[in-house]
Amino acid sequence: AQTVTQSQPEMSVQEAETVTLSCTYDTSESDYYLFWYKQPPSRQMILVIRQEAYKQQNATENRFSVNFQKAAKSFSLKISDSQLGDAAMYFCAYVSWNNNAGNMLTFGGGTRLMVKP
Amino acid sequence: EAGVAQSPRYKIIEKRQSVAFWCNPISGHATLYWYQQILGQGPKLLIQFQNNGVVDDSQLPKDRFSAERLKGVDSTLKIQPAKLEDSAVYLCASSLVLRQGPMDGYTFGSGTRLTVV
Repeated sequence: AQTVTQSQPEMSVQEAETVTLSCTYDTSESDYYLFWYKQPPSRQMILVIRQEAYKQQNATENRFSVNFQKAAKSFSLKISDSQLGDAAMYFCAYVSWNNNAGNMLTFGGGTRLMVKP
Repeated sequence: EAGVAQSPRYKIIEKRQSVAFWCNPISGHATLYWYQQILGQGPKLLIQFQNNGVVDDSQLPKDRFSAERLKGVDSTLKIQPAKLEDSAVYLCASSLVLRQGPMDGYTFGSGTRLTVV
C-alpha cells in the first residue's frame, strides 16, 4: 500500500520569507502523480501544485515550487515571499495512475503553516 | 463552473443516532469520492464511485456506514448508528477520469463537520 508522510506537524515563517514543507512517500508504482493541497479553515481542499512522476522538471506555480526527488521518493513544497493568506494546513497527496486500480488520493498527515506579520 | 456542493455544513447528533450527508459533484465528473478527516489528520478514503458503481469501499465500515450514488450524479453517505469516534469532517470530491492522468486534479467540497456526543 502507498503511504505519504509529512514529518513536520507545524511550521512557522515570517511574512515575505521562504519556507519549505517536507513530504516523503512510499510506492512501487512507476506512473503516479503528486499534489500539494492547501486547506484553510473553510475546510475546502485547494490544489496548490501537482507533479507528474514521469517529468524530471520540477513544477512551479507563481510563488510555489516543488523539489521532486524521484529516487529518494521526496516531494517538498517551497513557498517564496510568504503572505498572510498562505497560513493554512498543507497536505501532500499521491495517486497511482494504474488502470487496474482506483485513482484515489492518498494523503499525508498535514503540516500547519503559520505566517507571522 | 459550480463547485462540489455538500450539505449540511455542520451536524451534531447523539451516539447511536443516524445521520446522512449529501454531495453534488461537478457536472460531468464521473468519479466521486467520500473522505473522512479526523481532526488533526489527513483525509482518509471511505468509498469511491465510478458513475453509479463502487470502485473501492475497502475502508468503509460497512456495519454502520453506507453510501449510494443513484443515477451516477448525487451521492449520499449514511451512518447508522453513529459512534463517538465518527466525529470528523466528511469531504466529498469529484474528478474527471482521463487515460492520460488526473490533469484537472480533484475538486473538493467544503465538507460536513459531524460531532457525535
